[in-house]
Amino acid sequence: DVKVTQSSRYLVKRTGEKVFLECVQDMDHENMFWYRQDPGLGLRLIYFSYDVKMKEKGDIPEGYSVSREKKERFSLILESASTNQTSMYLCASGSLGGNNEQFFGPGTRLTVL
Amino acid sequence: QKEVEQNSGPLSVPEGAIASLNCTYSDRVSQSFFWYRQYSGKSPELIMSIYSNGDKEDGRFTAQLNKASQYVSLLIRDSQPSDSATYLCAVNGGGSQGNLIFGKGTKLSVKP
Repeated sequence: DVKVTQSSRYLVKRTGEKVFLECVQDMDHENMFWYRQDPGLGLRLIYFSYDVKMKEKGDIPEGYSVSREKKERFSLILESASTNQTSMYLCASGSLGGNNEQFFGPGTRLTVL
Repeated sequence: QKEVEQNSGPLSVPEGAIASLNCTYSDRVSQSFFWYRQYSGKSPELIMSIYSNGDKEDGRFTAQLNKASQYVSLLIRDSQPSDSATYLCAVNGGGSQGNLIFGKGTKLSVKP
């Protein structure tokens, strides 16, 4: 079974703090994704990566950055957290090409005070 | 702008009935179609994938795809209260990088 893990289930941070969310997958997938999910807005893609050290902007990259130093690990960074970044953050992984399936981690519910 | 549309619901069905969830998509070149189930407070779980026209059955779930009409559906037979969740339709966004476009989901409620 595909296993995608995220570093925290719940996180509370203060405005202006730097926040790191980490995601690890064990299926040797090339692709990794970061989404945020908000009521009424659905899943929105923040960044994705299809190889080590490669990154591509998704639909809402502003205020975020990412890092992929190893194939299995994809980090999302909030350089200076703001209250409008309070959300559920979901990491997913999938194989490049093929059937395009994505598998999600358990999610991190981030609250920025 | 590529889009995936779903009725937000809630769709309410009695226990034992068939639940029918529908999804339309805008990109004619899409080739891969997925249904995810998401319980409240949890992450999406892949439950069905379909790639060619017609029906695909897996237990109580049947996915149906009609590429000419740009329409994909999910039928849940013998619905159970444990099926109560939000169901997300996802379609590959074209290109070779494996991106998916997600609908906003349909909330299903199965009443005992």
